[in-house]
Amino acid sequence: GAVVSQHPSWVICKSGTSVKIECRSLDFQATTMFWYRQFPKQSLMLMATSNEGSKATYEQGVEKDKFLINHASLTLSTLTVTSAHPEDSSFYICSAGRQSNEQFFGPGTRLTVL
Amino acid sequence: LAKTTQPISMDSYEGQEVNITCSHNNIATNDYITWYQQFPSQGPRFIIQGYKTKVTNEVASLFIPADRKSSTLSLPRVSLSDTAVYYCLVGDSTGNQFYFGTGTSLTVIP
Repeated sequence: GAVVSQHPSWVICKSGTSVKIECRSLDFQATTMFWYRQFPKQSLMLMATSNEGSKATYEQGVEKDKFLINHASLTLSTLTVTSAHPEDSSFYICSAGRQSNEQFFGPGTRLTVL
Repeated sequence: LAKTTQPISMDSYEGQEVNITCSHNNIATNDYITWYQQFPSQGPRFIIQGYKTKVTNEVASLFIPADRKSSTLSLPRVSLSDTAVYYCLVGDSTGNQFYFGTGTSLTVIP
């Protein structure tokens, strides 16, 4: 149990385009989902916390208009990187909270912006 | 938020027991301690969670002293496949306040 999927697993896009990443909790309902980005050989950096049916809470320094988060249901959250640029290239990981302080992570999405 | 400190890297031979310690001096009363394992280009995987004393599951043990200012993840008889980065996370019971540490890169040597 407690499986989280992400789609796509990797994506390559041209600079200026937008990319959407989906995060799904497959066998449980997640009231809270988290989005992280991770650069090579670094720890996970929390970008935002997403609660179903309400606006996401962004961490300091993360541009809300750049990284659009939608948590439309208890099993799906999406992250859209708008007008992507090469500096947005990174590994994006989502996690879903099942109860209290448990987080279950997705496999990650490798974004490369050319 | 209770920040955490971990060693950057560790090496161990196959078959040895490995102990990775995480310091969290400012841990709050409601905070739990969770350890994750991450392989390259994968999401972290839950290993173990605890609040105090000792917790054991099929893959690891977690030791937390009475003052809870540190915790030690113990991996018995590591194998090459245990080479990964191990993260200590301290967070409150709501799950919305937490700190992800810098991680410890464990290399298991044949």
